[in-house]
Formats: sequence, structure tokens, C-alpha cells
Amino acid sequence: QVQLVQSGAEVKKPGASVKVSCKATGYTFTRHYLHWVRQAPGQGLEWMGIINPSGGSTNYARKFQGRVTMTRDTATSMVYLEVSSLRPEDTAVFYCARVRQGDSGPLDYWGQGTLVTVSS
Amino acid sequence: DIQMTQSPSSLSASVGDRVTITCQASQDINNYLNWYQQKPGKAPKVLIYDASKLETGVPSRFSGNGSGTDFAFTINSLQPEDFAYYYCQQYEHLLSLSFGGGTRVEVK
Repeated sequence: QVQLVQSGAEVKKPGASVKVSCKATGYTFTRHYLHWVRQAPGQGLEWMGIINPSGGSTNYARKFQGRVTMTRDTATSMVYLEVSSLRPEDTAVFYCARVRQGDSGPLDYWGQGTLVTVSS
Repeated sequence: DIQMTQSPSSLSASVGDRVTITCQASQDINNYLNWYQQKPGKAPKVLIYDASKLETGVPSRFSGNGSGTDFAFTINSLQPEDFAYYYCQQYEHLLSLSFGGGTRVEVK
């Protein structure tokens, strides 16, 4: 069955970077784009960007450009989200989510979420 | 960027009630609109995709309609397990998504 399993919670200091992983199983990794979505405590869902696992191309939300990098490893079926220059307001749960049909359609499978806490 | 305005931000309802949430896009998104349910501590779950299509396994009391810029999501006969947060999400630009601000459906 399709699963997206994310890495565990992180605590970081302001100014540091964090790298969150998302391992995909149960389907052909390169056939479905993956998105990253952020949710601050008590807040709504915020789109961060998308990666094409096949070619590695990415598109980031304007708000995160320059501070976010999404990469993938086809050998291990993993995608990564790196956020740099962390600030306390970056404290959030980060989700990876799969697009049902290639690059278009609903996000049909989600990771369990990774809590990143930014605090001095 | 396409902005999604969702309303209301919260509502109180009773079991058995009919509940409607609306979502308005800042530009024409055809029918590229999905609705998700999220419960505390859990990832979102898609209920409705392409504005009106019911996701497999989702009860038929959930429905959606609309096209262009104006969309609605309805729960007929609210059940105890339906008290949750709901989000609309557009994908008119394939490489760029945006979500509505969310609606909390709570017990009256």
C-alpha cells in the first residue's frame, strides 16, 4: 500500500537549517509529483513547493524562494525538504503529500508530518 | 498567485444538521478544486476532488459543487466524526497550489 513516512521531530535554534525526509513506498516513485505543505501551530495549511521525483525539477512558493530546497533520491525513493535561516515563526508541522495523477489532481496520500520547533 | 477565500472560518452545528462551506478563488480555476478534512494531530484527507467528485470510500453525505471562482462544500446530516477542520485547495496552476484559510466545524 502507498505510504509516505517522514523523519522525526526536530528542535533547532534560530538561524540554523533543518532537513526533513519523506520516504515513499508502495508505488512507482518517479510517476507522482510530491508537494510540501506547512502548518504552523493552530494555523491553516500553507503550500511550500513541489518536486518532480523523475527529473528533480522544483517550483517553490514565492514566500519561500531562496530559503527552501527540495531534492530527491530515486535510489531510495526519498524526497527532502531543507529550510535554512530558521526563525521562531517557522515552527510548524511539515507534510509531504503525493499528487494522485502525475502532476495534477488531489493530494491523495500524506506523510504523518514532522514537527520542527525553532527556539533559542 | 491565486488566493482562496474560505468562509466561514468557524461554525457551530449539531448532529444531523446540514453544513455548507464556501470557497472563492481570486481568478477562474475551472473545476480544479479539492476539499480536505483534517482532524487534530492528523494529516489532511481528501474528500472531494475536481470540485464535485467524491473520493473513494468517503460517505455520500459529503458533496461539492461549483466552477470558475465560486465553490461550495456541503455535509448533509452531520455525524459526530465530522467535527473537524475543512480546507479547500486549488490546483489550476499545476505547479502551484494554494489553500483556503480553513473552517472549523465544532459542536453546538
